[in-house]
Amino acid sequence: DAKTTQPPSMDCAEGRAANLPCNHSTISGNEYVYWYRQIHSQGPQYIIHGLKNNETNEMASLIITEDRKSSTLILPHATLRDTAVYYCIASNFGNEKLTFGTGTRLTIIP
Amino acid sequence: GAVVSQHPSRVICKSGTSVKIECRSLDFQATTMFWYRQFPKQSLMLMATSNEGSKATYEQGVEKDKFLINHASLTLSTLTVTSAHPEDSSFYICSAWKTTSLQETQYFGPGTRLLVL
Repeated sequence: DAKTTQPPSMDCAEGRAANLPCNHSTISGNEYVYWYRQIHSQGPQYIIHGLKNNETNEMASLIITEDRKSSTLILPHATLRDTAVYYCIASNFGNEKLTFGTGTRLTIIP
Repeated sequence: GAVVSQHPSRVICKSGTSVKIECRSLDFQATTMFWYRQFPKQSLMLMATSNEGSKATYEQGVEKDKFLINHASLTLSTLTVTSAHPEDSSFYICSAWKTTSLQETQYFGPGTRLLVL
């Protein structure tokens, strides 16, 4: 898996958009960008993934730069329940293991 | 969406005893499952890859005789911590890939918190 770099922590006001950056400058052409989050004392929750196009689902949007060296996860209207550690992972499909970094601890402030 | 379950959710045991943790994929079959361990304030660390019908593959530094993995069916993998000691106290999490015609996604169980006294 390509190494990813994320800021260790971020704050965001409730109701605002939370933008979480991730650098993956060594990502290979067939590696996807996955985002998971982990709320305290729970297993990681899948959020979204993408290869090169921007993606959106009911939870978030994923913006991947054209050179694929970085991406941004966007939570459009953050709520207190979005407080968690967010992990950005670059990995292939096909039963590959996921390598977790230290992630970004996002705190939503009332 | 896909669901991966774990049982038990938490367990307390005495030092020297063995503990079995089950991981099930509830609405899909998984030929491969993964076992992770997470210590307080740290990230998830992969312990081993569980393969249905064959031996598990362990990460460097993980003792295969201490952490026994059995993947007897396409929906069940078990991790047995043998002769558990206080340093084995941790949060154990399993995961599995779900493959559909549209995408492949890895889903995680809720975790099992093990406390060894």
